[in-house]
Amino acid sequence: EAQVTQNPRYLITVTGKKLTVTCSQNMNHEYMSWYRQDPGLGLRQIYYSMNVEVTDKGDVPEGYKVSRKEKRNFPLILESPSPNQTSLYFCASSFIPTYEQYFGPGTRLTVT
Amino acid sequence: AQTVTQSQPEMSVQEAETVTLSCTYDTSESDYYLFWYKQPPSRQMILVIRQEAYKQQNATENRFSVNFQKAAKSFSLKISDSQLGDAAMYFCAYRRIQGGSQGNLIFGKGTKLSVKP
Repeated sequence: EAQVTQNPRYLITVTGKKLTVTCSQNMNHEYMSWYRQDPGLGLRQIYYSMNVEVTDKGDVPEGYKVSRKEKRNFPLILESPSPNQTSLYFCASSFIPTYEQYFGPGTRLTVT
Repeated sequence: AQTVTQSQPEMSVQEAETVTLSCTYDTSESDYYLFWYKQPPSRQMILVIRQEAYKQQNATENRFSVNFQKAAKSFSLKISDSQLGDAAMYFCAYRRIQGGSQGNLIFGKGTKLSVKP
């Protein structure tokens, strides 16, 4: 089954404790992206990757890191999480330049 | 930079009736894609319908159709014969085709649709 998976689905952590949210897709997509969703703000892009070893900042990259060492995986790293990073996070992938992005199920992160 | 505006934070419709959700966008590009995504309480993002800017014909998917007005930069979603399962948050999104940041989705802030039985 074609899908984008994210882990964990729910995470509660404390300020400053490094964490990684994994994202994996099995569709051989070149393009992968991370978004955060906050009430009243819609989805905003954090980082994206056009292919292996090619990443770039989105609209809200501060406090986040990413890497793309393999085509199928695109982890999101929070080196020192802060409460303002409490949010719902989505990973998405697609072929380039087709139009449909496939979204993962989301990761609910709470930083206390 | 492109922007997407959804002017209706909340909408309500009676079951079996028709509702239209509004979306406007701002871009200087001539070719792009537009989408409507549905987000039910499960939080999953589900693609409802897409429209290529170069196509004049409005896209239709079963009970869902769009009114794409390129000159006015308007992209409204019409839901016919509304069902209880249509209750969700709906997001309008823009995706550029050419140039840098190719493929990035720009979302509106969403419209919460309620369906009354």
